Parts: sequence; structure tokens; C-alpha cells
Amino acid sequence: GENVGLHLPTLSVQEGDNSIINCAYSNSASDYFIWYKQESGKGPQFIIDIRSNMDKRQGQRVTVLLNKTVKHLSLQIAATQPGDSAVYFCAENPQWTGRRALTFGSGTRLQVQP
Amino acid sequence: EAQVTQNPRYLITVTGKKLTVTCSQNMNHEYMSWYRQDPGLGLRQIYYSMNVEVTDKGDVPEGYKVSRKEKRNFPLILESPSPNQTSLYFCASSNSGTSPYNEQFFGPGTRLTVL
Repeated sequence: GENVGLHLPTLSVQEGDNSIINCAYSNSASDYFIWYKQESGKGPQFIIDIRSNMDKRQGQRVTVLLNKTVKHLSLQIAATQPGDSAVYFCAENPQWTGRRALTFGSGTRLQVQP
Repeated sequence: EAQVTQNPRYLITVTGKKLTVTCSQNMNHEYMSWYRQDPGLGLRQIYYSMNVEVTDKGDVPEGYKVSRKEKRNFPLILESPSPNQTSLYFCASSNSGTSPYNEQFFGPGTRLTVL
């Protein structure tokens, strides 16, 4: 497959359970965060984003939590489905400089067991 | 269908043979960018473009060139490829060059191997 990262941390969950994927970011000046999903053979796909003036944002079956105090981001997926199996990346946008260069984490592989 | 396309999807070449990876988007996006993805390093930005004829270096620009003559196209050029440029390459685009709070859309990727 196209997923890069042979030694990614892996989270294995049962279908129907909730999943929590964690991410620590490094730049305290980052003001925008995004979660991407990357399936085998595909490019990263936007899931949900959050700005630094928020602590929580909800989408369809997904919730992102931001803790700026400890520079921690989490993605919660409710009622995980086999189609959720993929590599998940968090990305941060450093304080706006005009470059819009996202800094990506190394990713977490989510495996959903039927 | 709104999308970012890249060609080729797979390429094996030899050291020093110039190549171009094309990227095209049909969403009228102003901002386009190239990333490379390597094991343990995540995605790193190579070059970006805020609009036509406006390009600038990202984090890892050495050995690459880009051009932005048209809004929809943003080719990545390797004048003299070397084995350390073996990687998975992604093109991305986004609306509006003035705000960071816009989703970036990624292409399907180009797997490049330089022998």
C-alpha cells in the first residue's frame, strides 16, 4: 500500500466501540489544527479541524479535543466501523506566516476488528 | 467532481534523468503545495504557491523546482534526481491565500523511486 510509516503506533478496536487517537504537538504558537485520514493508496483526507480559541469541536461521529495547556490533541471516533481503518495524522499550522505549511505528526494506524 | 490529480502515480527512474510530476486541481484554488512523505518523518512541505506566478520554498526545497503559470497546474520538477528523493509525493490545494483556516485537498500521491 501507499501508507508510509512501517512502525506506526497502532490502535486496534472492535467494530462498534469508540476510538480515541492522541497527538502531542510541539509549537505553542500553532493556532489551527487538523485531523487527516489516509487510507492505503490515497492521499490524506480532511476529517475535522479546530482553531486554538476552541477546546472542542464535533462533526459527524467525530470529536476533536484540544488541550493547549499540555499541547495535546485527540480525535474521538464514535461507533467505529471497518471503513474507519486507516492511518490518522494530526497536523498543526504554526502561527500564521502566510506559508500555510502544515506540520504533520507521524500518524497512528487504526485497525478495526469485525 | 472536485479533485486534485497527479501524474504519474508511479515512476521509477535513474539518477540524473530530469523528470516532472504534474499536479492539477479543478476547484479554482489559489493556494497549491507539494509535500513529500517519508517513514518516520510524516509529510514535509517542499514548495508552495499562493497564486499564479507566486511560489516560495517550503521546509525541504533542495533539489526541486516548481512553476505556477496557470491557476490549475503546479508541476514539480526534479532537474537531476538523486536516490534520496525516493519518496511518496503529494500535491495539495486550498481556497484563498489569505487565511490559514481552509481545508487542504490532497491528490492521490506519486510514488517515485530513483535508482
